[in-house]
Amino acid sequence: EAGVAQSPRYKIIEKRQSVAFWCNPISGHATLYWYQQILGQGPKLLIQFQNNGVVDDSQLPKDRFSAERLKGVDSTLKIQPAKLEDSAVYLCASSLDYGSSGNTIYFGEGSWLTVV
Amino acid sequence: KQEVTQIPAALSVPEGENLVLNCSFTDSAIYNLQWFRQDPGKGLTSLLLIQSSQREQTSGRLNASLDKSSGRSTLYIAASQPGDSATYLCAVRPRSGGGADGLTFGKGTHLIIQP
Repeated sequence: EAGVAQSPRYKIIEKRQSVAFWCNPISGHATLYWYQQILGQGPKLLIQFQNNGVVDDSQLPKDRFSAERLKGVDSTLKIQPAKLEDSAVYLCASSLDYGSSGNTIYFGEGSWLTVV
Repeated sequence: KQEVTQIPAALSVPEGENLVLNCSFTDSAIYNLQWFRQDPGKGLTSLLLIQSSQREQTSGRLNASLDKSSGRSTLYIAASQPGDSATYLCAVRPRSGGGADGLTFGKGTHLIIQP
């Protein structure tokens, strides 16, 4: 079974530029999450999708971050304009469904962003 | 707001020792608790998932326990090996009526097993 796919793996941009990250979840997984992990910290949830609808985006900095999952499968996370403090690993994760105690959440390998 | 704390932040032990990593959380209204492993430059690998109704889970040399009422979990690693060196993250999944169930993570325990 293929895992969660993310691209690009690494990106270096200058502050005020824009960047986009792509995620393809495990086939059949209805729930998709984007997390931000700053060096030395645990991942922090940015946004949760159920199919193509947003369930939770309370921690997404909406002035510069946006995300979409138009057809309920792939998702894109965009940052515009980037700030130095956005340097982090952006992790995509998926789960079969939400609200079930036995559902494991599977993570991709992450997209590493450095803003200079 | 849920908060997850992991102790210790870092640990270095000789190969072969048994060790315990600790995790505590402030809100007991959880669906489950997961332990993850993260290697440098890699994503997260799920090690064990304990449902809120369970007390423990075992996989090979790993055993995780959950005491929901006291807000605590431990990860026990038996007969540690250099390949166990990694950062171990504890995360809880909230019980939410609205469907928002993203994980809340601790900062992790950075583990080094000396050969």
